[in-house]
Amino acid sequence: EPEVTQTPSHQVTQMGQEVILRCVPISNHLYFYWYRQILGQKVEFLVSFYNNEISEKSEIFDDQFSVERPDGSNFTLKIRSTKLEDSAMYFCAIVKGLAGGDPYEQYFGPGTRLTVT
Amino acid sequence: AQSVTQPDIHITVSEGASLELRCNYSYGATPYLFWYVQSPGQGLQLLLKYFSGDTLVQGIKGFEAEFKRSQSSFNLRKPSVHWSDAAEYFCAVGGGTSYGKLTFGQGTILTVHP
Repeated sequence: EPEVTQTPSHQVTQMGQEVILRCVPISNHLYFYWYRQILGQKVEFLVSFYNNEISEKSEIFDDQFSVERPDGSNFTLKIRSTKLEDSAMYFCAIVKGLAGGDPYEQYFGPGTRLTVT
Repeated sequence: AQSVTQPDIHITVSEGASLELRCNYSYGATPYLFWYVQSPGQGLQLLLKYFSGDTLVQGIKGFEAEFKRSQSSFNLRKPSVHWSDAAEYFCAVGGGTSYGKLTFGQGTILTVHP
């Protein structure tokens, strides 16, 4: 059974539209991460989230991106105004263990494929 | 800044043959090292990890990897490859004071011939 699921599995949106990608952890995890993988390229870190606040973000994670955990369960990534270059697979990752565990042992969700047209 | 290099973009082996996938990292201190596998259309599955201690680590599906500090390498090996091992393999490094940010290599696509 997966530690985390993601919805939707595939999202198609028009340029300039807002999208929200969701990560649903199975257990009450404390550490959350978003990564993306543009087709044919390496997996890139976007942001890490701990104790309900951003702990680190990459250069990719500009003002168009935001994350939150509104209901204490789902962890969301919002892209405010999508661009063609945002087309990618977006992966949520969590750290296993109710007490947070080791922040370097990450388990990845199946991903959401975002297509911006 | 940390970085990972996987020199081989694509490797082809015959079923039953041995396998070695190369990974070189750049990191200022003792790194945390990982190998993940990604099957087509799937997410990333953790194969194995190195944090400290024994430099030869065992993972799932019969894989192992050896940490060599002097060579800044963490190569993945398997003595006998199965057709189901065909996938893309990613080496990753983490460490330092961040909350577990992982830096990935470009990936190596493994094709297995019957």
